[in-house]
Amino acid sequence: DVVMTQSPLSLPVTLGQPASISCKSSQGLVYSDGSTYLNWFQQRPGQSPRRLIYKVSNRDSGVPDRFSGSGSGTDFTLEISRVEAEDVGIYYCMQATHWPPTFGQGTKVEIK
Amino acid sequence: EMQLLESGGGVVQPGGSLRLSCAASGVTFSSYAMSWVRQAPGKGLEWVSGIGGSGGNIKYADSVKGRFTISRDNSKNTLHLQMNSLGVEDTAIYYCVTGITMKDWGQGTLVTVSS
Repeated sequence: DVVMTQSPLSLPVTLGQPASISCKSSQGLVYSDGSTYLNWFQQRPGQSPRRLIYKVSNRDSGVPDRFSGSGSGTDFTLEISRVEAEDVGIYYCMQATHWPPTFGQGTKVEIK
Repeated sequence: EMQLLESGGGVVQPGGSLRLSCAASGVTFSSYAMSWVRQAPGKGLEWVSGIGGSGGNIKYADSVKGRFTISRDNSKNTLHLQMNSLGVEDTAIYYCVTGITMKDWGQGTLVTVSS
């Protein structure tokens, strides 16, 4: 299985400041169709996960533009340009290029 | 956007069985592959099983293969997960999600395996 490794696992951030989460895969994530199936999810406390970003850099409908995704190959990043209180939660990367789909361990974002 | 509502969770003894259901609405259900994803208490996310829109292309995680069976009834817009030979390691919230892109999630149903 493809191993997804996130860092850091805990990320204290000051309100209004940027935040960045890294996700590294044990294999390249380019599928045979040329797409890279790397998604990011947000799980707020007590809620179901919610997809934020699909195929590396595409924001889902309703996701604020302060969230952005980037990367290629085996290295990917989720960035929050200015953290707001509602961004507190756990963030997961997930690959769906190789079978089975696998998730990173999660990064807990909290306010300092 | 697909709305998903899981049911069927509960407390079961080790070795027991449960059948989870997921009712879908808002889109043409049969057009979508579906998956189950679980989350053990305080832990991360684990894909469990997936099924194609027409009911084929069924796959399982190694951790549940031979014990769990995924199925769907497109006439009732419903997804199922039959879970047999449950162990304490199966204790988790089980989420119904769209395919492996996982755009839409239900609220989850809690399965607790305990004696």
